[in-house]
Amino acid sequence: EAGVAQSPRYKIIEKRQSVAFWCNPISGHATLYWYQQILGQGPKLLIQFQNNGVVDDSQLPKDRFSAERLKGVDSTLKIQPAKLEDSAVYLCASSLSGGYTDTQYFGPGTRLTVL
Amino acid sequence: EDQVTQSPEALRLQEGESSSLNCSYTVSGLRGLFWYRQDPGKGPEFLFTLYSAGEEKEKERLKATLTKKESFLHITAPKPEDSATYLCAVRKMASNTGKLIFGQGTTLQVKP
Repeated sequence: EAGVAQSPRYKIIEKRQSVAFWCNPISGHATLYWYQQILGQGPKLLIQFQNNGVVDDSQLPKDRFSAERLKGVDSTLKIQPAKLEDSAVYLCASSLSGGYTDTQYFGPGTRLTVL
Repeated sequence: EDQVTQSPEALRLQEGESSSLNCSYTVSGLRGLFWYRQDPGKGPEFLFTLYSAGEEKEKERLKATLTKKESFLHITAPKPEDSATYLCAVRKMASNTGKLIFGQGTTLQVKP
């Protein structure tokens, strides 16, 4: 079974530039999550999708971050404009249904460096 | 405030030297506690889920236990390949989403 795919794996940009990350979840998984992991910290949830609808985006900085999940499969996370403090690993995860017994499976992440 | 705290932050062991990692949590009702392993440059890899106090799960040299306030990850006779960062996360009872609240992780180094 193929895992969660993410691209690119690494990205270096200047502050105030824009960047986008892509995620393809495990086939058949209805729920998709984006997490931000700053160096030395645990992942923090940014947004959760159930199919193509948003379930939780309470910790998404909406003035600069946006995300979409068209057709309930792939997802894109965008940052515009980027700040220095956005330097982090952006992890995508998916789970079968989003229920409380669900296990979340993570992709390899995209490491973003903002200069 | 919901909080997950892991200790120690870093742990160095000799191969074969057993030890335990701690995850203490304060949440308003626990729906599940999850342990993940994360290797450098990779995403977290699922290890265990525990749902109620007294529950235990085992996988190879790892054993996870749960009480009402904390969880332990016991590592018996570790090998160098067990070196990684171990993350614990909780899901709240009140949550109608799959949201996980993570601790900061314990970085384990096992020397041969």
